[in-house]
Amino acid sequence: QVQLVQSGAEVKKPGASVIVSCKASGYSFISYHMHWVRQAPAQGLEWMGMVNPNGGATGYAQKFQGRVTMTRDTSTSTVYMELSGLTSEDTAVYYCAREYPAAINFDFWGQGTLVAVSS
Amino acid sequence: EIVLTQSPGTLSLSPGERATLSCRASQSVSSRHLAWYQQKPGQAPRLLIYGASSRATGIPDRFSGSGSGTDFTLTISRLEPEDFAVYYCQQYGSSLYTFGQGTKLEIK
Repeated sequence: QVQLVQSGAEVKKPGASVIVSCKASGYSFISYHMHWVRQAPAQGLEWMGMVNPNGGATGYAQKFQGRVTMTRDTSTSTVYMELSGLTSEDTAVYYCAREYPAAINFDFWGQGTLVAVSS
Repeated sequence: EIVLTQSPGTLSLSPGERATLSCRASQSVSSRHLAWYQQKPGQAPRLLIYGASSRATGIPDRFSGSGSGTDFTLTISRLEPEDFAVYYCQQYGSSLYTFGQGTKLEIK
């Protein structure tokens, strides 16, 4: 069965960077784009960007351009999301989500990773 | 960027009642790229409906989606206790993915 397992919670200081990982299993890793979506406390869902595991091409929301980097490791079927220049507004749960190509939506989600930014 | 506006913000209903949730887009959306998700507290979102009207795997048939252009609807025909949650619509267009702000479905 499809599983997306994310790394554990992080606490960071303002200005620092964070890397969140998402390990995929149960399907052909390179056949599906992977996205990152975040959710601030008591807020809605916000799309951050995506990585194509087949080749590594990326696409980012304009809001995060220059501050986010998404990569993948095909040998371990893992995608990574690095966010730099953290502020308190980056405190959120970060989800990886697999794209269902026929309809371009998100059919499987990771369990979420809480990133808390606090001085 | 296409903005999705969901209404109402909160919907208070009783088990067994019918729920109708709305998602309005700021410009026309391809029906093929309109989806609905359910999110319960402390959980990741779950795909309910894709292509505006197709149920995802394992989703009960009391959930249905409809609409086209700028107006889309999620209907839950007879509410079960486990259906009380937050619901989001989402669209893809011009290489961008956007979500509505959500509708909270609460027990009356």
